Amino acid sequence: DGGITQSPKYLFRKEGQNVTLSCEQNLNHDAMYWYRQDPGQGLRLIYYSQIVNDFQKGDIAEGYSVSREKKESFPLTVTSAQKNPTAFYLCASSLGTSNTEAFFGQGTRLTVV
Amino acid sequence: KNQVEQSPQSLIILEGKNCTLQCNYTVSPFSNLRWYKQDTGRGPVSLTIMTFSENTKSNGRYTATLDADTKQSSLHITASQLSDSASYICVVSSGGSYIPTFGRGTSLIVHP
Repeated sequence: DGGITQSPKYLFRKEGQNVTLSCEQNLNHDAMYWYRQDPGQGLRLIYYSQIVNDFQKGDIAEGYSVSREKKESFPLTVTSAQKNPTAFYLCASSLGTSNTEAFFGQGTRLTVV
Repeated sequence: KNQVEQSPQSLIILEGKNCTLQCNYTVSPFSNLRWYKQDTGRGPVSLTIMTFSENTKSNGRYTATLDADTKQSSLHITASQLSDSASYICVVSSGGSYIPTFGRGTSLIVHP
């Protein structure tokens, strides 16, 4: 089936540790995005990538890093520099123009313990 | 600054009743407006997408309207079902950007 897959669904991290969230898509989409969602708030953009080997910071990039070595994959690393990492993380992809729909993964819930 | 405001923040209705959710935006230049449904703990799923020239679009019991002059949109849900309980998010795209602007969503609870 075509789609966008995030893993794991739940992730626990100790304070001071880095952790990487996976996002894979087989939709042949050029653009991929990472969002963070906190209770009662809208989605906030962390990073986005329009093409392979290129990515841009979003509104809340501090404490996060990404890579885009393959068109299908856009992993997000939550570093120890992120002061409040507990949140629901959503990955999305689109064909890459403003007129196209963004398809979302099922999300990863990260909890710092 | 591009903004999308949704109201109400939350809504509780009885099963079988209709409801209308509102979305006001200041995104410019306007490209399109989408409504997404997000079940708890899941990713958003697209319900409708409308461009500047479209006033109404339906998807089953969901009907979205767009007034590009007043920069307002509404999502009307007919004969609500328990499965309609979710967050409904309005998303507006600008013609000059890859990055859409998200509203905070309206949380809908349908009681039996």
